[in-house]
Amino acid sequence: KAGVTQTPRYLIKTRGQQVTLSCSPISGHRSVSWYQQTPGQGLQFLFEYFSETQRNKGNFPGRFSGRQFSNSRSEMNVSTLELGDSALYLCASRLDSPSYNEQFFGPGTRLTVL
Amino acid sequence: AQKVTQAQTEISVVEKEDVTLDCVYETRDTTYYLFWYKQPPSGELVFLIRRNSFDEQNEISGRYSWNFQKSTSSFNFTITASQVVDSAVYFCALRYNNNDMRFGAGTRLTVKP
Repeated sequence: KAGVTQTPRYLIKTRGQQVTLSCSPISGHRSVSWYQQTPGQGLQFLFEYFSETQRNKGNFPGRFSGRQFSNSRSEMNVSTLELGDSALYLCASRLDSPSYNEQFFGPGTRLTVL
Repeated sequence: AQKVTQAQTEISVVEKEDVTLDCVYETRDTTYYLFWYKQPPSGELVFLIRRNSFDEQNEISGRYSWNFQKSTSSFNFTITASQVVDSAVYFCALRYNNNDMRFGAGTRLTVKP
């Protein structure tokens, strides 16, 4: 089974621009979560989508948004980029079953904001 | 408050030493799940183990073992006979309220040859 894939792997943007990151979950996984990882703040939860609906949201400003499509693929958008948005963005998918609820992570997208 | 504490920021050992990574969690939920993940330099988090709150049985998988103790709210991870390839950042995580997930700050393990 193919793992979680994320595109692009690396991205360089300038302040004020917007960016869209993509995540394809493991086949059959309907839950997709996004995390931001920085050296200072560690791994922080952004949001979770399940069946095209945002089910959970972390404490991030409205500039961070996401969506999920009917095939469970998910996109994350960050508008009006700031220098502090430079981070590794990780996507994770899971089966969403009580017996099998571990998340499997993709390789991440490293975003650099100049 | 729901919280995961990994007090050890960095650990350095010499190959073949045993090493234990500590994880202490806080949650009000009676049903919760604990996880360990490994993040090698490549960046991708690799799932290692899941434990639910009703299963305190310890687990061993090769050189890896986990000790779950509800009485002390701890879920510690031991690597026996460490190898250079074990060098990575290890994260402990807590899932509570069925969907919310909280990660610890991570412990960077360096295994020197």
